Amino acid sequence: AQTVTQSQPEMSVQEAETVTLSCTYDTSESDYYLFWYKQPPSRQMILVIRQEAYKQQNATENRFSVNFQKAAKSFSLKISDSQLGDAAMYFCAYRSYSGGSNYKLTFGKGTLLTVNP
Amino acid sequence: DAGVTQSPTHLIKTRGQHVTLRCSPISGHKSVSWYQQVLGQGPQFIFQYYEKEERGRGNFPDRFSARQFPNYSSELNVNALLLGDSALYLCASSLDQGGVTEAFFGQGTRLTVV
Repeated sequence: AQTVTQSQPEMSVQEAETVTLSCTYDTSESDYYLFWYKQPPSRQMILVIRQEAYKQQNATENRFSVNFQKAAKSFSLKISDSQLGDAAMYFCAYRSYSGGSNYKLTFGKGTLLTVNP
Repeated sequence: DAGVTQSPTHLIKTRGQHVTLRCSPISGHKSVSWYQQVLGQGPQFIFQYYEKEERGRGNFPDRFSARQFPNYSSELNVNALLLGDSALYLCASSLDQGGVTEAFFGQGTRLTVV
């Protein structure tokens, strides 16, 4: 079974600064997908960024980028130019490439990000 | 376009009771998944339905059941409620079963069992 570990329960950053959230995972599969989701107080999970394991290039979405290290099974999220609206719980998630019940998302426990003005 | 809608938003039930949670996916989405999020934890997978058939089940007791209707909406049923069932229940819809397809989440139903 796959597991996802987020070792930072809480992080804080000053507005306009950069912060990196860590995520490691354990799997025996070679093909899979990794995601970062944001959950603000409104509770709705919002996809921030995704990475296909077969792609060596790190994904980037505006101020959000990832550092995907497949051999180390590491998938960190970097938020540049942090904004007050970035404050939320961030979840790292894993999904298998194959079908059946492996289409489920496996989430970490989350990292609560605080942005200080 | 409307996003994923869940009802009710909040619910209080007594131990031993039964509860039904509802989810309407984004128009055109055929896959619905259910997750349980206990306070302070990440969501845990309960079920996935695609084209009205169960395609995946997480490690939850038989008290949990679900179904998907011809219009692709879905219900999650929980029987004989326990205090430990108190959680945020999230529904996610997607165009197909998985892959890189994005899962869109609703705002959840907050269930409190007393």
